[in-house]
Amino acid sequence: AQTVTQSQPEMSVQEAETVTLSCTYDTSESDYYLFWYKQPPSRQMILVIRQEAYKQQNATENRFSVNFQKAAKSFSLKISDSQLGDAAMYFCAYTTTGNTPLVFGKGTRLSVIA
Amino acid sequence: GAGVSQSPSNKVTEKGKDVELRCDPISGHTALYWYRQRLGQGLEFLIYFQGNSAPDKSGLPSDRFSAERTGESVSTLTIQRTQQEDSAVYLCASSRAFAGETQYFGPGTRLLVL
Repeated sequence: AQTVTQSQPEMSVQEAETVTLSCTYDTSESDYYLFWYKQPPSRQMILVIRQEAYKQQNATENRFSVNFQKAAKSFSLKISDSQLGDAAMYFCAYTTTGNTPLVFGKGTRLSVIA
Repeated sequence: GAGVSQSPSNKVTEKGKDVELRCDPISGHTALYWYRQRLGQGLEFLIYFQGNSAPDKSGLPSDRFSAERTGESVSTLTIQRTQQEDSAVYLCASSRAFAGETQYFGPGTRLLVL
């Protein structure tokens, strides 16, 4: 069974600084998709960034970028120029091809210090 | 609507009562998912619909849980004879019917069983 591990239950970052959230996963599939979702206190899950496993290029979305290491099964999220609004729970998630459910990690709570 | 909507936003019920949770997916999204999020935890998959059929019910925790979807649109998750351990946020997501499509989440229903 596929599993997703987020080893950092909590992280903090100073405003305007950079922080990296870790995620590793276990799968025997060669083709799959990885996601980072943000969940603020409003509990709305918001997509941050998406990566297709067949693409070697790391996905970027404004201040958010990933370091996708397929061989190591690692998918970390880097947040640059952190803002107070970035404070939230961040979940790493995995799915295979086809419409399959997402497998989520347990999340990392990010605090941003002014 | 523009996004996934869920109702009610919050539900308090007494142990042993039945509850119905509703999800309205994004128009045109044929795939629909239900997840459960216990306090401080990641998301657990419950059930997945493709159109009106449910090819994957593997996450339903017991036969007290059931779900249906009609008209390739609205879905209802029903919990019979609620127990205190059913207290959680129930999240619904929808996506297009293509491999690795992003799942868009609703705001969730917070269920509290007293």
